[in-house]
Amino acid sequence: TQLLEQSPQFLSIQEGENLTVYCNSSSVFSSLQWYRQEPGEGPVLLVTVVTGGEVKKLKRLTFQFGDARKDSSLHITAAQPGDTGLYLCAPRGGSNYKLTFGKGTLLTVNP
Amino acid sequence: KAGVTQTPRYLIKTRGQQVTLSCSPISGHRSVSWYQQTPGQGLQFLFEYFSETQRNKGNFPGRFSGRQFSNSRSEMNVSTLELGDSALYLCASSSVGQTTEAFFGQGTRLTVV
Repeated sequence: TQLLEQSPQFLSIQEGENLTVYCNSSSVFSSLQWYRQEPGEGPVLLVTVVTGGEVKKLKRLTFQFGDARKDSSLHITAAQPGDTGLYLCAPRGGSNYKLTFGKGTLLTVNP
Repeated sequence: KAGVTQTPRYLIKTRGQQVTLSCSPISGHRSVSWYQQTPGQGLQFLFEYFSETQRNKGNFPGRFSGRQFSNSRSEMNVSTLELGDSALYLCASSSVGQTTEAFFGQGTRLTVV
């Protein structure tokens, strides 16, 4: 059973600050997805990273897949209250048809 | 196009009762997955259906079951409800089921009293 850890579990910051959240595992993945879940909603896909060392940018969000494809990070620049939500990572690997999610990082950006 | 629709949005049941939740996937999507979300355990995979066949199942007791119909709509059933079954139940649909994007519904908030 793969161990999947997201850190920090909770993060409360002021608008305009930068932050990084992490997703780490003991297993190698073929790809990894990041989702954001806002209160009262289901998770929504932000990005899929596939290649080791890959960096993808989505406006103020920067996603990186580790060289060994066992970890990933999400960096947010100049956070805004609209970034508030639960950030979930979901590695993909093997042939089983399911997503395994980390427990997530609950981010609160205060105005 | 319409997103994933889950009904009902909220449900209150008594211990020992059973409940059926419904999920209508995005048109054309044949894969439907179910997840249980609780503050302590996070999002946990229940099962996944593709073309009316269950392809994968999580580590939940047999009280949790599901099915998928020919139009890809899916239902999950929980029998003999326990207090610990209180959770947000999320359904996700995708076009292939393995590496593509999962589109989630808003969930059904189940409270067992």
